[in-house]
Amino acid sequence: DAMVIQNPRYQVTQFGKPVTLSCSQTLNHNVMYWYQQKSSQAPKLLFHYYDKDFNNEADTPDNFQSRRPNTSFCFLDIRSPGLGDAAMYLCATSRDPSRPPDTQYFGPGTRLTVL
Amino acid sequence: GQNIDQPTEMTATEGAIVQINCTYQTSGFNGLFWYQQHAGEAPTFLSYNVLDGLEEKGRFSSFLSRSKGYSYLLLKELQMKDSASYLCAVMDSNYQLIWGAGTKLIIKP
Repeated sequence: DAMVIQNPRYQVTQFGKPVTLSCSQTLNHNVMYWYQQKSSQAPKLLFHYYDKDFNNEADTPDNFQSRRPNTSFCFLDIRSPGLGDAAMYLCATSRDPSRPPDTQYFGPGTRLTVL
Repeated sequence: GQNIDQPTEMTATEGAIVQINCTYQTSGFNGLFWYQQHAGEAPTFLSYNVLDGLEEKGRFSSFLSRSKGYSYLLLKELQMKDSASYLCAVMDSNYQLIWGAGTKLIIKP
């Protein structure tokens, strides 16, 4: 089955210790997104890739970086996690937003805890 | 600014019908999505509306009025497994998805 996979499902890190979250997809979609979602809040878009073109949201802190080495994989690096970065991190993919309907398909998420 | 409004929480009874409303103010409109999100899990796609009217999909229906900036999700024959958050999201003129905070639906026996 075509899908979006995220690893790990749960990540515990220490304050200031770098962490990398990974996402892979078998849907062959052009676009990959990283969202941060805190309890009872809307998902907040951090950045997205359209193919190799990187698009950073204006209010995404510099502490968050991303890499997309190929079509299938995308990584979220948090260079120095703070307590406020504890959240669910969601990876999503879509085919092409300029060709609606462009449904976003989500991975199961990574729950990040910062101690 | 862009804004999506949904009720924070609703309660309904198993077997009943519930309507979850969503109003939006966005820069342009390229469609409205409804997603279901169970606690601790990722959102899953439910429906898409781009033209005015009702889209029916089994027990779930979604309605759109573009002139009023309004949509609703209608859930019939509620089951306990329908307990979840329901997120409304609008694609704006830049093809960005603007998300609501979600409506937590509690189903009681």
